[in-house]
Amino acid sequence: KAGVTQTPRYLIKTRGQQVTLSCSPISGHRSVSWYQQTPGQGLQFLFEYFSETQRNKGNFPGRFSGRQFSNSRSEMNVSTLELGDSALYLCASSLARQNTEAFFGQGTRLTVV
Amino acid sequence: QKEVEQNSGPLSVPEGAIASLNCTYSDRGSQSFFWYRQYSGKSPELIMFIYSNGDKEDGRFTAQLNKASQYVSLLIRDSQPSDSATYLCAVGVYDKIIFGKGTRLHILP
Repeated sequence: KAGVTQTPRYLIKTRGQQVTLSCSPISGHRSVSWYQQTPGQGLQFLFEYFSETQRNKGNFPGRFSGRQFSNSRSEMNVSTLELGDSALYLCASSLARQNTEAFFGQGTRLTVV
Repeated sequence: QKEVEQNSGPLSVPEGAIASLNCTYSDRGSQSFFWYRQYSGKSPELIMFIYSNGDKEDGRFTAQLNKASQYVSLLIRDSQPSDSATYLCAVGVYDKIIFGKGTRLHILP
């Protein structure tokens, strides 16, 4: 059974640009959650999508947005990139809602220069 | 404010000994409890989950949950150098999951 797939694995962008990250959950999983991880802050919750609807949102500015498609694949977009957005972005999929067993993808390492 | 607290460590344990990792949570409505292992530069990997009071064992790992005292712990028996990692405690509260900042575990050969 395939795991959670995130693409791309690595990305280098310039300040002011925008970026789109993709996450394909485990087959049959309907919940996709996104996290930002930096060395000092640990895992910071961005948002959760379930059945194509955003169900929960963390404390991030509106530059961070996402969506989920009918096949449960999800994308996350960050506009007007800042240096501080450099981080590991992780996606986790769950069969049901976020508070059930969640499985992480390999992550996308974003570097903003 | 719902919180999950862990000692950041590092926790140093000799090879072959028992490593004990602890986590406390603030919301009495918490329903599900998870332990993740994260190696440096890698993504978190789910290693244990527990929903009911008591102990749950899986190989060398035992998760312990005490809802009255609001803590959950992870015991690793016969610790191996490959167990050296950061261990994240996560707590499911209603429809959300909250992660602790993790405990760094270092197994001494």
